[in-house]
Amino acid sequence: DTGVSQDPRHKITKRGQNVTFRCDPISEHNRLYWYRQTLGQGPEFLTYFQNEAQLEKSRLLSDRFSAERPKGSFSTLEIQRTEQGDSAMYLCASSLGQPPNEQFFGPGTRLTVL
Amino acid sequence: KNQVEQSPQSLIILEGKNCTLQCNYTVSPFSNLRWYKQDTGRGPVSLTIMTFSENTKSNGRYTATLDADTKQSSLHITASQLSDSASYICVVSARDSNYQLIWGAGTKLIIKP
Repeated sequence: DTGVSQDPRHKITKRGQNVTFRCDPISEHNRLYWYRQTLGQGPEFLTYFQNEAQLEKSRLLSDRFSAERPKGSFSTLEIQRTEQGDSAMYLCASSLGQPPNEQFFGPGTRLTVL
Repeated sequence: KNQVEQSPQSLIILEGKNCTLQCNYTVSPFSNLRWYKQDTGRGPVSLTIMTFSENTKSNGRYTATLDADTKQSSLHITASQLSDSASYICVVSARDSNYQLIWGAGTKLIIKP
């Protein structure tokens, strides 16, 4: 257990529905990251926050995806109008933001879109 | 283009044997290189982090090496155990974007009794 928690661990939804995932980072970590991972591949960067500010978004993050970190603590990732291609593991990580900026990962949320 | 390539894609060895996993990268300017272990259905867990000046680092039965000149790294696992079965992912961070990591696709290691 790294200290980063994610909820839910698994989500099955029908195409077109909206889903929201939550990440609780290690409490003193100011940086929070979201990644997506498909089978047999390494994680792909989606976005990251420093405190409550969203500082970078990948081009992978279409306008159906939105992430928030309202008080600089927990974060949510929402996917609107889900598509089958959104099926993946969604990973959250947190770090102190100082070199070497080691990131600690949560267990992930497995999304299946039917 | 910043890339990380790993080999082999998968590996099966008998319990107790040693193995070495390879990582080549083209990330520039280089900041650090990490090896993560990822069990099926779980998040990655950091094994080692090495900066430019470090050429070897150990964590128990795991030993990582780094050759910054040839841009190659290896992860050596000694006396493998069944619990070592996992994916091992090489990750490189560029100096000018330390918030973003360039991930390899991983090597899937299976330890058989």
